[in-house]
Amino acid sequence: QQPVQSPQAVILREGEDAVINCSSSKALYSVHWYRQKHGEAPVFLMILLKGGEQKGHEKISASFNEKKQQSSLYLTASQLSYSGTYFCGTERSNTGKLIFGQGTTLQVKP
Amino acid sequence: EAQVTQNPRYLITVTGKKLTVTCSQNMNHEYMSWYRQDPGLGLRQIYYSMNVEVTDKGDVPEGYKVSRKEKRNFPLILESPSPNQTSLYFCASSPETGISNQPQHFGDGTRLSIL
Repeated sequence: QQPVQSPQAVILREGEDAVINCSSSKALYSVHWYRQKHGEAPVFLMILLKGGEQKGHEKISASFNEKKQQSSLYLTASQLSYSGTYFCGTERSNTGKLIFGQGTTLQVKP
Repeated sequence: EAQVTQNPRYLITVTGKKLTVTCSQNMNHEYMSWYRQDPGLGLRQIYYSMNVEVTDKGDVPEGYKVSRKEKRNFPLILESPSPNQTSLYFCASSPETGISNQPQHFGDGTRLSIL
């Protein structure tokens, strides 16, 4: 039931773009994205509800393809501050039960 | 300052000795949840509470208990801890009864080591 994130890890240079995917085998109601820096708590990025919407947050945006049960997180013109581990969490219905993927570690180098 | 406070932050204990990790939020949030984080497994939900007196099992509830007697507190209880419960634990809260369109605010984490 745990969603699968890909890639598991990615290394970028500043200014490069990255895409992190989150796939589920089950129909989804919402997808949640969080970023966690080493030794810190996860921090909220955005939520997407079923309906195929796309959201943006500065240079970070995400899409949700309801038919494919897949969400993608887009990081544009990456900055050093984008380094960390990105988690997607999936909710199958509006119940409050959230299942996170295993995480994608992103490292941005100067 | 709006925050989710967990105590203790670090604990080393022995198998079978009951322990409680407290979680308190000062934002009048309805929803609260507990997660454990283990390398390679991401965050796994233990229990969650949509509002006072209502709790539900998450993905990995075995070996844990919770209670939600008042809105601000959501303690995690390990009645008989075992070494496989050694982990980093996070408490989180969210403004509404659901989380479908609400961000969760996480505490700083509690690192438990059970010998």
